[in-house]
Amino acid sequence: DAGVTQSPTHLIKTRGQQVTLRCSPKSGHDTVSWYQQALGQGPQFIFQYYEEEERQRGNFPDRFSGHQFPNYSSELNVNALLLGDSALYLCASSPYTGAYEQYFGPGTRLTVT
Amino acid sequence: AQTVTQSQPEMSVQEAETVTLSCTYDTSESDYYLFWYKQPPSRQMILVIRQEAYKQQNATENRFSVNFQKAAKSFSLKISDSQLGDAAMYFCAYSLYYGGSQGNLIFGKGTKLSVKP
Repeated sequence: DAGVTQSPTHLIKTRGQQVTLRCSPKSGHDTVSWYQQALGQGPQFIFQYYEEEERQRGNFPDRFSGHQFPNYSSELNVNALLLGDSALYLCASSPYTGAYEQYFGPGTRLTVT
Repeated sequence: AQTVTQSQPEMSVQEAETVTLSCTYDTSESDYYLFWYKQPPSRQMILVIRQEAYKQQNATENRFSVNFQKAAKSFSLKISDSQLGDAAMYFCAYSLYYGGSQGNLIFGKGTKLSVKP
């Protein structure tokens, strides 16, 4: 079992650009959640996808959008990048029903210059 | 809105000793879950221990145990027989459970634990 995988590992972008981050959930999981972790802070919830729809959303602007594919993998898109978007982006997967733990991926480190 | 507070930015413990990490939370809900996650320097977040709010018995996982005080909204983590591999950031997290599925995780700011040999 490969667990949750994310790509790329690191990414450097310029202000105003757009970025796409990718996540493959753990085998058997159908729900993907995305979190932003600024340096020295705890992760903050961005949104959750299930059945290719956004089910929950945190307090993030519309510049942050996502997608879930039929194979349950997911993408996080951020438009018009700001310096403040520099962070570690974590993907977590879980089954939708039941109170199961969320399994986290290793994250993508995004640096905006 | 639910919040999670970890008042100890850093803690240090001698190898083989016991350390307790503190966490308080604020919620008006009665049915929720609490977690302690560990994030080593390699970054991958892993679950240490989980507590269901409806259970009065404190959760334990080997050397890790919690002291869950629902009325006080307190959820501390005790690590016994500390090992060098326990050195990491520890995050306390809260989640609602409704409609048969788990809500999003709300994290505290974390406590950095150092283990001295």
